[in-house]
Amino acid sequence: AQSVTQPDIHITVSEGASLELRCNYSYGATPYLFWYVQSPGQGLQLLLKYFSGDTLVQGIKGFEAEFKRSQSSFNLRKPSVHWSDAAEYFCAVGPGRNNFNKFYFGSGTKLNVKP
Amino acid sequence: SQTIHQWPATLVQPVGSPLSLECTVEGTSNPNLYWYRQAAGRGLQLLFYSVGIGQISSEVPQNLSASRPQDRQFILSSKKLLLSDSGFYLCAWSIRGSGTQYFGPGTRLLVL
Repeated sequence: AQSVTQPDIHITVSEGASLELRCNYSYGATPYLFWYVQSPGQGLQLLLKYFSGDTLVQGIKGFEAEFKRSQSSFNLRKPSVHWSDAAEYFCAVGPGRNNFNKFYFGSGTKLNVKP
Repeated sequence: SQTIHQWPATLVQPVGSPLSLECTVEGTSNPNLYWYRQAAGRGLQLLFYSVGIGQISSEVPQNLSASRPQDRQFILSSKKLLLSDSGFYLCAWSIRGSGTQYFGPGTRLLVL
């Protein structure tokens, strides 16, 4: 069965420090992988996505993520966190070439940024 | 460009009252449409998805139903709300086969 695990519920980092949010997935086919960000009371905004090719993908707001097939992981990173990055982050697995229509989301990681 | 609208933004309803949340997408045709619920402090739970007019797949047995009367309109309904229906409801769309999902601004529902 398809599933997405985000093992960290809350993470606190200092402004300017580096960030890594973990995501592990279980998916029977070649996955499409996504990271979304949600500010309080808002919808989800797409940060980046991986479909194929280069396993290091760049996204908006200075974020990047690396797909590691051997570890079934798609961790999100940012070299230097800004206070405005405080939000909740969701990893997701989407329909692959087998033409599923459903997406599977992790339970989210809340990021707090200390001044 | 494509846009997705949800209304109302906020809703407070008594237990036992009906519900109708609406979602519309502009700038695309024949999208896949989705309803999610996000309870406080929890992740996203897929409620329904639709691949076409009148085609609804239900993911979780519950007090809710969905309908797609038009290509770009997706409605979430209930005949009698329960306290447990409170939450943040998100509508999303994707182009079939594109693999990317785009979300609306959400509706916060509080059932008292």
